[in-house]
Amino acid sequence: GEDVEQSLFLSVREGDSSVINCTYTDSSSTSLYWYKQEPGAGLQLLTYIFSNMDMKQDQRLTVLLNKKDKHLSLRIADTQTGDSAIYFCAVLGVSGTYKYIFGTGTRLKVLA
Amino acid sequence: DAGVTQSPTHLIKTRGQQVTLRCSPKSGHDTVSWYQQALGQGPQFIFQYYEEEERQRGNFPDRFSGHQFPNYSSELNVNALLLGDSALYLCASSSQGGNTIYFGEGSWLTVV
Repeated sequence: GEDVEQSLFLSVREGDSSVINCTYTDSSSTSLYWYKQEPGAGLQLLTYIFSNMDMKQDQRLTVLLNKKDKHLSLRIADTQTGDSAIYFCAVLGVSGTYKYIFGTGTRLKVLA
Repeated sequence: DAGVTQSPTHLIKTRGQQVTLRCSPKSGHDTVSWYQQALGQGPQFIFQYYEEEERQRGNFPDRFSGHQFPNYSSELNVNALLLGDSALYLCASSSQGGNTIYFGEGSWLTVV
C-alpha cells in the first residue's frame, strides 16, 4: 500500500542548514508537499513540487526530488529558532485519487 | 481573505456521544477534505466532498459521516464516540482541478 516515511527528529544549530528527508512508495505520485506544524496549530503549506521536476527553490527552502529512489528532501538554509516545528511530507497519489498520504512528521529543533 | 476556518476549536465528549465539527473553506475553494491527526501521527484522510457529494473515502468506519452545503461549507459527524476518536480533526480546502490543499487550525476532540 501507499506509505510515506520520515525520520522522527532532527536537531541543528541556528544559522546552519537543515535537511529533512522523506521516502515514499507510490511511484505514480503526481505532486509532493511539505507542511509545517507548530504546537497546537494546523498545517501550513511550505512548498510543493510536481513529479516532473527535480528541484524547486523558494527563498530559504530547496526541495529535491529523486524519483528513481522515491526520495524527497527539504533543505532550510540559515535555520532560525522560529523554524522549530514538525515538518510533514505528503504525497498526492495517482490520477483519480484525491487523498494526500502524510508521513509521521520530523520534529526539527533549532538550538540557539 | 479568510483562510479555512473550523469550529469549535476544542471540545470534550463522553464515550457513546455524537459530535459535529464544522468547516468553512478558503474563499474561492469548492472542495473540502477532512483528516484525523492522532497525537504523534501524521494526518489520515477521512473523506472529501465536492458538489455536495462524498467523492472519496479513506479507511474510516461508517460512524464517520459528512455533509457539504451549497455554500461549500462542510460538517463532519462522528457517532458512537470511542476513546480512540480523540484527535485533532483537520479540514482542508482546495479548488476543483487544483492539487494544493490548505488546512484550517483544526478542532481538538477529547473523548472521555
